[in-house]
Amino acid sequence: GENVEQHPSTLSVQEGDSAVIKCTYSDSASNYFPWYKQELGKGPQLIIDIRSNVGEKKDQRIAVTLNKTAKHFSLHITETQPEDSAVYFCAASYSSASKIIFGSGTRLSIRP
Amino acid sequence: DGGITQSPKYLFRKEGQNVTLSCEQNLNHDAMYWYRQDPGQGLRLIYYSQIVNDFQKGDIAEGYSVSREKKESFPLTVTSAQKNPTAFYLCASADRGNNSPLHFGNGTRLTVT
Repeated sequence: GENVEQHPSTLSVQEGDSAVIKCTYSDSASNYFPWYKQELGKGPQLIIDIRSNVGEKKDQRIAVTLNKTAKHFSLHITETQPEDSAVYFCAASYSSASKIIFGSGTRLSIRP
Repeated sequence: DGGITQSPKYLFRKEGQNVTLSCEQNLNHDAMYWYRQDPGQGLRLIYYSQIVNDFQKGDIAEGYSVSREKKESFPLTVTSAQKNPTAFYLCASADRGNNSPLHFGNGTRLTVT
């Protein structure tokens, strides 16, 4: 069945450095790729999303890239700050949220 | 402020008892969803509803039931038939349009002993 693989499962970076989280998806029909950030004890929050008609999208320190041919997409966080520490989930879907498949999550820790 | 409210935040039950988790939204979204989150795993879809009085099974619906009598409310009942009910449960809503982003509540952590 459809699958989204996410790597790494844990990531620790020095404050100020960049962090990269990578995902691959199996369903070539997927056309929407959101990223969610989940802080401890809270629900996930959408931080950025990309649709299959673009290859890159940026919002301040956060950027997402998409390679449809390779079925890869990645989240890039630059100039990391302590408040970036959280679990990040990638996802892939087509048409509706009932078809969305989530990755297994990356626990990002920012070292002071 | 618009949002999704899940209650309670923590819930404890004895094995063999049914328990109902509450989810209310004031975002005027048509679609609502229930997910289950286990440590080290992604979110798995339990049930979803795209319109009042209609709902569909997700990937792991066995042992759960839902109702959608009002647009704002989508309660989830964890029945005694659910073999491993201890988990973190997340409710979400979205507009009905294609690829509308999910808005999540802050979850209910259910512990069954």
